[in-house]
Amino acid sequence: AQKVTQAQTEISVVEKEDVTLDCVYETRDTTYYLFWYKQPPSGELVFLIRRNSFDEQNEISGRYSWNFQKSTSSFNFTITASQVVDSAVYFCALNSRNTGGFKTIFGAGTRLFVKA
Amino acid sequence: ETGVTQTPRHLVMGMTNKKSLKCEQHLGHNAMYWYKQSAKKPLELMFVYSLEERVENNSVPSRFSPECPNSSHLFLHLHTLQPEDSALYLCASSQLTGGTEAFFGQGTRLTVV
Repeated sequence: AQKVTQAQTEISVVEKEDVTLDCVYETRDTTYYLFWYKQPPSGELVFLIRRNSFDEQNEISGRYSWNFQKSTSSFNFTITASQVVDSAVYFCALNSRNTGGFKTIFGAGTRLFVKA
Repeated sequence: ETGVTQTPRHLVMGMTNKKSLKCEQHLGHNAMYWYKQSAKKPLELMFVYSLEERVENNSVPSRFSPECPNSSHLFLHLHTLQPEDSALYLCASSQLTGGTEAFFGQGTRLTVV
């Protein structure tokens, strides 16, 4: 079975604080892909990053960084020096190499509020 | 135009109405998807089209009927919906290669009265 768990339903921080969004996944596949998407109030999900199961290197992109740890099946997302524009719902997602389809499983999302 | 475009953005319909949601992508992708996003529930994959052929139908009620006339367009025909079908319906597209990211439209906010 595949599953993505985002245990944090809502997080509220003050601008300039650092914040980490947790993501834990389950899959029996050895080849899989993990994603983070951002959903601002306008509605569309915006792709942020993709990681495949063979690449455990952490990645930094500006104020965003991702920590992928296969040992704990986690793919956490940190925003450094948060800004009001970071307020959105963030989704972690899993796509595994299975036959017969292109299933991407999404977590329930974490709603981030950044206050000025 | 670029990206994935969905129309209408908002739709209110009665339970006996028939309406259609439209999705158009200008990214050259060959797979398209319909997702349902309800309040306090995870994104639910409804349908997947790969090269205009339906490859996934996640036990979606027959009152939802998808149509993919070509690789750039995807429709979701709605008929005799229930109030619990009220949700944000998101269209997405991607390349066929497994593990590629999807690009989403802004969604259609559907309210069934």
